[in-house]
Amino acid sequence: GAGVSQTPSNKVTEKGKYVELRCDPISGHTALYWYRQSLGQGPEFLIYFQGTGAADDSGLPNDRFFAVRPEGSVSTLKIQRTERGDSAVYLCASSSYSGGPGDTQYFGPGTRLTVL
Amino acid sequence: GENVEQHPSTLSVQEGDSAVIKCTYSDSASNYFPWYKQELGKGPQLIIDIRSNVGEKKDQRIAVTLNKTAKHFSLHITETQPEDSAVYFCAASYSTLTFGKGTMLLVSP
Repeated sequence: GAGVSQTPSNKVTEKGKYVELRCDPISGHTALYWYRQSLGQGPEFLIYFQGTGAADDSGLPNDRFFAVRPEGSVSTLKIQRTERGDSAVYLCASSSYSGGPGDTQYFGPGTRLTVL
Repeated sequence: GENVEQHPSTLSVQEGDSAVIKCTYSDSASNYFPWYKQELGKGPQLIIDIRSNVGEKKDQRIAVTLNKTAKHFSLHITETQPEDSAVYFCAASYSTLTFGKGTMLLVSP
């Protein structure tokens, strides 16, 4: 596709359940980012992949959160033992890594996660 | 880490007026400053960005200025239109993006 896509668009789960959120980046983009956006706030960085490896995972809030990108394209954000405080919009972005400052990041539409 | 402050939180203007949104950042190492527009239910869309080797950049009705000494940057929208109504986010980056809390811009016809 032409842009970043995310599935599902909405996910409702119960406290304690496991969820997976998927991101398809723009074709050819080597860098992929996950952000979390709470209501009325700006996106908050979670993790960044360069190719298959996590280059920076300093934003992951705790060990319940994990992300993978096994083939350097599609990425999955995994949340174990979900809590009500995990409810937010999870955004994915991708960029064509240039190695210099400020690679333009293109965002997907997000997945709205609601934990009941 | 980086901290980005954004003002105002809401801004109401009449169609045709100008709108200005201001941001400050804390980390002098930041060298990339994008602005995103987010409409309800959608992801942020890049509208303009500036890098630390320039002080001003313009694209049609949108301009951004950067003052690295004072660590602040601003978004200027001229001749506003109702379709400019959205939430606007500034961000600062050295390696990863840190966003401000957003400004809700309302343009009344």
